[in-house]
Amino acid sequence: KQEVTQIPAALSVPEGENLVLNCSFTDSAIYNLQWFRQDPGKGLTSLLLIQSSQREQTSGRLNASLDKSSGRSTLYIAASQPGDSATYLCAAESYNTDKLIFGTGTRLQVFP
Amino acid sequence: GAVVSQHPSWVICKSGTSVKIECRSLDFQATTMFWYRQFPKQSLMLMATSNEGSKATYEQGVEKDKFLINHASLTLSTLTVTSAHPEDSSFYICSARWTSGSEETQYFGPGTRLLVL
Repeated sequence: KQEVTQIPAALSVPEGENLVLNCSFTDSAIYNLQWFRQDPGKGLTSLLLIQSSQREQTSGRLNASLDKSSGRSTLYIAASQPGDSATYLCAAESYNTDKLIFGTGTRLQVFP
Repeated sequence: GAVVSQHPSWVICKSGTSVKIECRSLDFQATTMFWYRQFPKQSLMLMATSNEGSKATYEQGVEKDKFLINHASLTLSTLTVTSAHPEDSSFYICSARWTSGSEETQYFGPGTRLLVL
């Protein structure tokens, strides 16, 4: 059974800092891994999708890496801004279950 | 990216009534759709996998008679919460699986907020 966890659960930082959000998964036979952003009371915004054959994806100030052997993915946010404040969710889809399982989320607050 | 819509975006109903939520893939066909539920300050929990033309597959602990799923076409899946009670109040999010060759991904709807009084 795939289990996905994220640390830290919450993070509060001043504007401008570079951030690292961590995601761990127990079943390394994953098909892909996605990072999402969720604003309070809103739906999901897909940020980055890493296919099994890839090691990282980049979009603007965001970079996500995938290490299947260690069961980890990292989301790197460069030069954080107050507008980055949201909950960040990672989700892994594994071959064994054919389902997308979500992590526990990291609630990020970037203050001016 | 592909677009998935949900209707309604929010609904308030009385306890004991049934509520139907629609999930549509607007620009692609999806043989598989998924229904998730999210309680406040918690992550998304998969409720069921909706397969076009066949019965849905429910996750452990999800009552199939309470949460009726119908995937009648390649672009539409519906979730009906029957005899809703206050504890069913939640944020319901659907997703549709897009497949192209060896790649696939899920596109998510904007969610439906249900409040049962």
